[in-house]
Amino acid sequence: DAKTTQPNSMESNEEEPVHLPCNHSTISGTDYIHWYRQLPSQGPEYVIHGLTSNVNNRMASLAIAEDRKSSTLILHRATLRDAAVYYCILRDAPGGSEKLVFGKGTKLTVNP
Amino acid sequence: EPEVTQTPSHQVTQMGQEVILRCVPISNHLYFYWYRQILGQKVEFLVSFYNNEISEKSEIFDDQFSVERPDGSNFTLKIRSTKLEDSAMYFCASTVIRTEAFFGQGTRLTVV
Repeated sequence: DAKTTQPNSMESNEEEPVHLPCNHSTISGTDYIHWYRQLPSQGPEYVIHGLTSNVNNRMASLAIAEDRKSSTLILHRATLRDAAVYYCILRDAPGGSEKLVFGKGTKLTVNP
Repeated sequence: EPEVTQTPSHQVTQMGQEVILRCVPISNHLYFYWYRQILGQKVEFLVSFYNNEISEKSEIFDDQFSVERPDGSNFTLKIRSTKLEDSAMYFCASTVIRTEAFFGQGTRLTVV
């Protein structure tokens, strides 16, 4: 399984932007970059995914480096509800392995 | 919004007993998964299920584990003879075409 590297923890203040980095230097050409988060005492929750281009949705933005060896999840205005563990996961294209391989993720603390 | 439902939310069982964890995936989803998370550790993949058969399983998913989709709506995980080390949160997930996975809130299994 292709590996990702994330900082163990990050802190942010409420209503400020948060940039969560992820390194995936061994990414293959068909790997999709997925982000999930896990709020305390809950199941993982999908955030966003992309292949090559930057992506936006109602929850976040995903910025993917041109060489695809790194990506950044951007929360535009952090709220207290965004305090969670954020996981950057590489996932095979359809036809490859179906599983999500979770690492330790980044624990985001949001200060009021 | 559609959601994956898991029951029970908490199950306590004696070592050596059989347990069945139940999940109702989102109705039009085709791929189903079980993951587990031991307290304080990573989310681990157990098994994926598609077209009424196991499509992939991890080393954790040994002969003590089995999965079933008995009636077209429920998706169950059975542990035949529970061990203390099976104590964990068990998450069910489902997806349409292996992009965005929806996770349930989990069943906390405590083996005593």
